[in-house]
Amino acid sequence: QSVLTQPPSVSGAPGQRVTISCTGSSSNIGAGYDVHWYQQLPGTAPKLLIYDNINRPSGVPDRFSGSKSGSSASLAITGLQAVDEADYYCQSYDSSLVVFGGGTKLTVL
Amino acid sequence: QITLKESGPTLVKPTQTLTLTCTFSGFSLSTSGVGVGWIRQPPGKALEWLALIYWDDDKSYTPSLRTRLTITKDTSKNQVVLTLTNMDPVDTATYYCAHRRTYSPFDMWGQGTMVTVSS
Repeated sequence: QSVLTQPPSVSGAPGQRVTISCTGSSSNIGAGYDVHWYQQLPGTAPKLLIYDNINRPSGVPDRFSGSKSGSSASLAITGLQAVDEADYYCQSYDSSLVVFGGGTKLTVL
Repeated sequence: QITLKESGPTLVKPTQTLTLTCTFSGFSLSTSGVGVGWIRQPPGKALEWLALIYWDDDKSYTPSLRTRLTITKDTSKNQVVLTLTNMDPVDTATYYCAHRRTYSPFDMWGQGTMVTVSS
């Protein structure tokens, strides 16, 4: 049972917009800790996608965006492409310790 | 350019101790704010953070495995070592090491090393 709750799966057709939620509590996201997002393509290591709630590392397309409100955060992907099919994980902190979400599998229909 | 690579046994027996080494380049663990963490992922399951060590030798562990984990660093060799005692089949996973700075994300990851626990 992960400290941060994500939907197990989401799906969308090419070109569509999808969002992935990451729900925490008052001891983690709600306490003001930043949220980071990682993309894990099949058979590869996770890659940083969004950091500090809303920021994209260099090289990440602006189709990916993050937001945070209260004890939750969201990752939005617009203009969905087949290459976006992957697992997505949120990460934050709980009492200063690192915590991950349970992951969300994105399927591009 | 930051790179990290995990190494260690691919197969361990139950009750044995697992020792994994993360060898890195492109940064120094003697630089203020720099840290290396270990994260694992059982087959088909989610990421689980295990441990962190920082430039000043500050360490933190996931509470559920605290009694079994030890993380150390060898700054001169650019290596971080993770030991996990009393291995069990549920510890079968891909183990990753990753670079971070204090309260920053894991911005660079190793390729991971798969460890199977079986007799």
